[in-house]
Amino acid sequence: GQSLEQPSEVTAVEGAIVQINCTYQTSGFYGLSWYQQHDGGAPTFLSYNALDGLEETGRFSSFLSRSDSYGYLLLQELQMKDSASYFCAVPGYSTLTFGKGTMLLVSP
Amino acid sequence: EAQVTQNPRYLITVTGKKLTVTCSQNMNHEYMSWYRQDPGLGLRQIYYSMNVEVTDKGDVPEGYKVSRKEKRNFPLILESPSPNQTSLYFCASSLSVTSWQYFGPGTRLTVT
Repeated sequence: GQSLEQPSEVTAVEGAIVQINCTYQTSGFYGLSWYQQHDGGAPTFLSYNALDGLEETGRFSSFLSRSDSYGYLLLQELQMKDSASYFCAVPGYSTLTFGKGTMLLVSP
Repeated sequence: EAQVTQNPRYLITVTGKKLTVTCSQNMNHEYMSWYRQDPGLGLRQIYYSMNVEVTDKGDVPEGYKVSRKEKRNFPLILESPSPNQTSLYFCASSLSVTSWQYFGPGTRLTVT
């Protein structure tokens, strides 16, 4: 089976940097994905890391360490619109297992 | 525009009344999947499909059926809905097994 652990809630202020961690246990591993979801909306794909290291896409970066079964999503220059839930997810063969999500609250 | 569509977006029904939630994608993707989302539980996979006529159970398939007669469509069928199937449902499609980038807008189902 697959399981993912991430914090339930993180708070930060506008302009700050925040890191959302994710640890996973899987029977097979392709890589680690991250999604953003605003309240009641569809999950939006942010990134996918298949290899160790840091991938940067604008203000968002994602990191993976396969040896530590660990990854994180880094959000820089936080904006109010970044307030949302963030999910790490592990794709399997035709499947996708999500963590329970981290709610990010950005305050002025 | 590349998209996944779902209908209906909102549905209130009664226990035992069969219903179908449709899902359609216009990207010629082979892989499609259904998820349900409940507070505190995240998104859990119900069923997935790897191609036409090829489907398999996800983590929470009980009470659901699916079919994949055409590549673009992947309907979710609740033969006899029960209140514990009240949830927010998402359909997704993907070109590859590892990068699920496209989700539908969601269907909020209430079973009374």
